[in-house]
Amino acid sequence: GNSVTQMEGPVTLSEEAFLTINCTYTATGYPSLFWYVQYPGEGLQLLLKATKADDKGSNKGFEATYRKETTSFHLEKGSVQVSDSAVYFCALGSGSARQLTFGSGTQLTVLP
Amino acid sequence: NAGVTQTPKFQVLKTGQSMTLQCAQDMNHNSMYWYRQDPGMGLRLIYYSASEGTTDKGEVPNGYNVSRLNKREFSLRLESAAPSQTSVYFCASSDRDTQYFGPGTRLTVL
Repeated sequence: GNSVTQMEGPVTLSEEAFLTINCTYTATGYPSLFWYVQYPGEGLQLLLKATKADDKGSNKGFEATYRKETTSFHLEKGSVQVSDSAVYFCALGSGSARQLTFGSGTQLTVLP
Repeated sequence: NAGVTQTPKFQVLKTGQSMTLQCAQDMNHNSMYWYRQDPGMGLRLIYYSASEGTTDKGEVPNGYNVSRLNKREFSLRLESAAPSQTSVYFCASSDRDTQYFGPGTRLTVL
């Protein structure tokens, strides 16, 4: 079956540091890949997505590239801000209804 | 547009009680989903509905039932709540490739 493995947290960084959160997946077929973000007490919001190999998703300074050869979709940001503190989820979408399979989430805390 | 709405926001039940979690979307999406979120486990799919009139089991369907009342509404029912069902429940709807989530219902079963 499908699975997503995410870098374990928590991750604590200083403001303006470089961020990488690793994500690898196992899937049959050609899934779409997503990063969702969850701020405290809220639901999940789509951060970025990529629907085919070599696509790069980007939003709000975050980027991730769909690497089929390494089955990875690592999230990066060049300079994090305090407001980026949240839980980040990697997910893959597959099936007739594009059901999502989530990783376990990575808690990011950015200190001023 | 309100997006995806869920009621209630919070609920406390006693073991054996029943309740229905409501979800509605105003984006005219065909597909809707119910997930539960537990610490350290990400979100797990309970049930989904690819289109009005159809429902299918996800990863963790035991102890739950769903109803796709119409295109807008997708409810989740716990017939006899158990402490293991203490969780945060999220509803989502999707267009072709992106899911949009509601704010969640925090359920505690004593």
